[in-house]
Amino acid sequence: DIQMTQSPSTLSASVGDRVTITCRASQSISTWLAWYQQKSGKAPRLLIYKASSLESGVPSRFSGSGSGTEFTLTISSLQPDDFATYYCQQYNSYLTFGQGTKVEIK
Amino acid sequence: EVQLVESGGGLVKPGGSLRLSCAAPGFTLSNAWMSWVRQAPGKGLEWVGRIKNKADGGTTDYAAPVKGRFTLSRDDSENTLSLQMNSLKTEDTAVYYCTTLTPMSGYSGYVKYWGQGTLVTVSS
Repeated sequence: DIQMTQSPSTLSASVGDRVTITCRASQSISTWLAWYQQKSGKAPRLLIYKASSLESGVPSRFSGSGSGTEFTLTISSLQPDDFATYYCQQYNSYLTFGQGTKVEIK
Repeated sequence: EVQLVESGGGLVKPGGSLRLSCAAPGFTLSNAWMSWVRQAPGKGLEWVGRIKNKADGGTTDYAAPVKGRFTLSRDDSENTLSLQMNSLKTEDTAVYYCTTLTPMSGYSGYVKYWGQGTLVTVSS
């Protein structure tokens, strides 16, 4: 099974900050990786697929990069609406999610 | 925009069974790869299982913790997806989301659409 490890688990940041979340796969997954945002009590929302493709309707301040085993999600300028938990998910072999990264107000 | 509506959640005793359903008004489920993802209270997301569309054989796959206990099926006449859960354990307590899957180049794919989720509580 492919394991996904996100870091950090929690991130404290201020509005306007540049934020980077890392996701590592236990084996190469090419670019078969997605990122999601989840707010409390709500279903997750797709942000990025195929490592760097921005889902329609997602603000351009979100970007994804990486291939193989190391990936990043970057928020170029953190907005009040972005405080949430973020998950990566591999789909090279079935599906596996990372444990999540909570972005909280500093 | 695809709307997915889950139902069937509730309280069940350990060892019991429960059947979840997912309806998709205006969307033909048989044409899609579908999956269930769950989230235990205060925890992260966990994939449960998937079913391919008819064109790709309609086969099912399951995560190790539920294999042999959970069964995914589709009723094309009713346009619904079901998750039959047997031999339930306390660790199966979670919100269960019905989702679409967008496969890419034969790989499982990512989740574009999510239902609102239905809570399953396994407790004596």
